[in-house]
Amino acid sequence: KAGVTQTPRYLIKTRGQQVTLSCSPISGHRSVSWYQQTPGQGLQFLFEYFSETQRNKGNFPGRFSGRQFSNSRSEMNVSTLELGDSALYLCASSRGPGQGFGAPEKLFFGSGTQLSVL
Amino acid sequence: LAKTTQPISMDSYEGQEVNITCSHNNIATNDYITWYQQFPSQGPRFIIQGYKTKVTNEVASLFIPADRKSSTLSLPRVSLSDTAVYYCLVGVNNAGNMLTFGGGTRLMVKP
Repeated sequence: KAGVTQTPRYLIKTRGQQVTLSCSPISGHRSVSWYQQTPGQGLQFLFEYFSETQRNKGNFPGRFSGRQFSNSRSEMNVSTLELGDSALYLCASSRGPGQGFGAPEKLFFGSGTQLSVL
Repeated sequence: LAKTTQPISMDSYEGQEVNITCSHNNIATNDYITWYQQFPSQGPRFIIQGYKTKVTNEVASLFIPADRKSSTLSLPRVSLSDTAVYYCLVGVNNAGNMLTFGGGTRLMVKP
């Protein structure tokens, strides 16, 4: 079974540009979440999608957006890039929908997209 | 969300058992404890999850005392390939996949 696939693996952009990152979840997984990882802030939750609907959103500005398609693939977009957006962007998938007071779902992460903003 | 506290770093040698303790004094009744492992330039990988007492799988053991205010991840006979950052998380399913990662513990295994 193929794992979570993120493309591209590396990306270099300049300030003010916009970028789109792609994530293909494990087959059968319907929940996709995105995380940003930087040396200073660590791993931070961006947003989560299930059945094309955003379920949760982290504390990031509106420049960060995402969407999920009917085949569960997801994209995230960052507009008007800033130097501080340089980070490893990670996508994770799970079966979903994850609700109630049971154990949190096991997340499967991709290898990430390393974004450098110059 | 319950806050977790872990040692920033630990050193060990090949073949030793490593125990990483995580403190979560404000853990809620319904919270589970989950550990992830992360290698450089890769996404985190689920290791183990538990609610109380002891859980063991092919990779590690998780010990949770009765008061559940802490937990210990035990890695038996570590090798160089176990060098990674280990994250302890506390939460329940109703938070969806909005996980809160702390700083983690950077484990260095030496030959």
